[in-house]
Amino acid sequence: AAGVIQSPRHLIKEKRETATLKCYPIPRHDTVYWYQQGPGQDPQFLISFYEKMQSDKGSIPDRFSAQQFSDYHSELNMSSLELGDSALYFCASSFGGGNLYGYTFGSGTRLTVV
Amino acid sequence: LAKTTQPISMDSYEGQEVNITCSHNNIATNDYITWYQQFPSQGPRFIIQGYKTKVTNEVASLFIPADRKSSTLSLPRVSLSDTAVYYCLVVGDNTDKLIFGTGTRLQVFP
Repeated sequence: AAGVIQSPRHLIKEKRETATLKCYPIPRHDTVYWYQQGPGQDPQFLISFYEKMQSDKGSIPDRFSAQQFSDYHSELNMSSLELGDSALYFCASSFGGGNLYGYTFGSGTRLTVV
Repeated sequence: LAKTTQPISMDSYEGQEVNITCSHNNIATNDYITWYQQFPSQGPRFIIQGYKTKVTNEVASLFIPADRKSSTLSLPRVSLSDTAVYYCLVVGDNTDKLIFGTGTRLQVFP
């Protein structure tokens, strides 16, 4: 079965550069969520989109922005990168908000800022 | 969203049964208890979800007492590959995202 696809798997950027992470949800899933997981930490919710509209916002820095496109894939844009942005970034998708039907996570993008 | 509390870490040996208990004293009537498993450098993976009593699937069992203020994830006969972080989450009808607390790091030894 198709899973949530994230690209790239690994990304190395220098401070103050920009990065774009992509997420392709499971077919027919209409909701996408972004999480950040620092080393040894638990996943932290960043932002979510439902039917191409932002549905919720968590602890996402102003330097980050995201959107969901007409084909339901989503991109997380990160500017003015800082060393502290080094983390695993996960995308999850669900149908109609998940809750009772489960959320499926991708394998993540490991971002390293040097 | 109800806050959950679970042990930070647990150790076990291969072949043993592991029970991880989670407390969620403020669970609401419409909330469900959900457990996710996360291996290093991988995304969390749904394990099991339940509302009350007992739920069993091919991976685990979930025991929920009548007051629903706690739940226990039971992993039968663990193997080395069960070494992971296990998260207990409470989700409701209006949940639009998962909020992860501090999971339980299970280490299985040979």
